[in-house]
This record gives sequence, structure tokens and C-alpha cells, in this order.
Amino acid sequence: GAVVSQHPSRVICKSGTSVKIECRSLDFQATTMFWYRQFPKQSLMLMATSNEGSKATYEQGVEKDKFLINHASLTLSTLTVTSAHPEDSSFYICSARTGENNYGYTFGSGTRLTVV
Amino acid sequence: AQSVSQHNHHVILSEAASLELGCNYSYGGTVNLFWYVQYPGQHLQLLLKYFSGDPLVKGIKGFEAEFIKSKFSFNLRKPSVQWSDTAEYFCAVDNQAGTALIFGKGTTLSVSS
Repeated sequence: GAVVSQHPSRVICKSGTSVKIECRSLDFQATTMFWYRQFPKQSLMLMATSNEGSKATYEQGVEKDKFLINHASLTLSTLTVTSAHPEDSSFYICSARTGENNYGYTFGSGTRLTVV
Repeated sequence: AQSVSQHNHHVILSEAASLELGCNYSYGGTVNLFWYVQYPGQHLQLLLKYFSGDPLVKGIKGFEAEFIKSKFSFNLRKPSVQWSDTAEYFCAVDNQAGTALIFGKGTTLSVSS
């Protein structure tokens, strides 16, 4: 089945630095990918929709200048957390829609970001 | 805007007990409905989904869900839970227009052996 690979699985960075998270579709092309953020014991909150070759669509309240999304190819989307602060510490998950009529969503394994 | 409500935050059951997790959604149009499971330390896995047709949907691991359109509900059921069902369960919807999944807050299921 469709596999989405997300890297790194864990990252610790210093406050003020930037961190890049990669999301790759391994055996299919993903024109659209989605980025979520999950706080402990809470749900997945949609941050943005990433479209190949165009600008991402951000959800209300998500700072586009802080969470930079690039979807330069049909198999790779990246999320860069710029000037990270401790409150950005969270679990970030990417997802890609797969299939056509009977479609589904495949999720990456997530990235645990800790900003110290 | 779409929203998804999961009524049970934490459910504790003994093995062999029956399970029902509630899910209601709010959206004026036609939706697709999903249930995902997240085992500790693992990524989300699809349990089942409903697009159209028979409102009683059977999924993996013995789970099923029933779509009741009049109640905007899509409750998840399993007749006899196992210790290995201990996990986080998420109900999610999309609006068939290709937009992203919107998730409920999740329900933690703890099954004691």
C-alpha cells in the first residue's frame, strides 16, 4: 500500500533555530499533502494543505511565516519551523491523499519536536 | 465549518466487554467518514471508512461503524475488545471536495486483561 515516510522522527533544537521536517510519498505521487500538529493527549489539528508547485493553504491562526511549507515535487513536502520557540514543541504529522474515487489518507509516523 | 465531536474522552473496559465510541459531525453537505486508531508510539492506521452505500461498515480487527445520517453520527463498535485494542481512536470527516481530514479530539481506550 501507499507509504508516507516522515523524517526525522525526533528532533531537539535550541530556541531561535530552524528545523526542517520532510515528508515523502514512497510509492505514489502526492499532489496534495497535509500537515497536522498534535499536542499531548489531544487531536490532530490541521495546519496547512500543501499543493505541489503552488503555495500552501494555511488554516486560520497558523503563522505562514513561521511554518514554511514547500512542496516542490510530487513526492516531497517539507515543513520548516523557523525561529523555533519552546511553545512550538509538539508532534507534527504529515499526510497524503491516495487513490481516486475510493480514496484514503496515508499518514507519516510523525516528528517529535522539542525546542529547548 | 466542519467539526467532529467525540463524546468519550477515556474509556476503560475489561477484556471481552463490548465497545461503542460515539462520533458526531457538523457539516451541511455530504461527507466521508473515517475512524483511525493510533497505537502507542505508532502512526495512524485506518480502521474503516464510509463513503456511500450500506451505512453499516465493517473494518479491520473486528471493528464496525454505523452511519446514521439523521443523527450526523458515525459510532464505532466492537462486540468484544481485547487487551491489544488499547489505543487512541479518532473519528474524522472530509467533505468530499478533496479537503483535508478534520479530526475529533480522540478517545483513549484502555483495556485491562
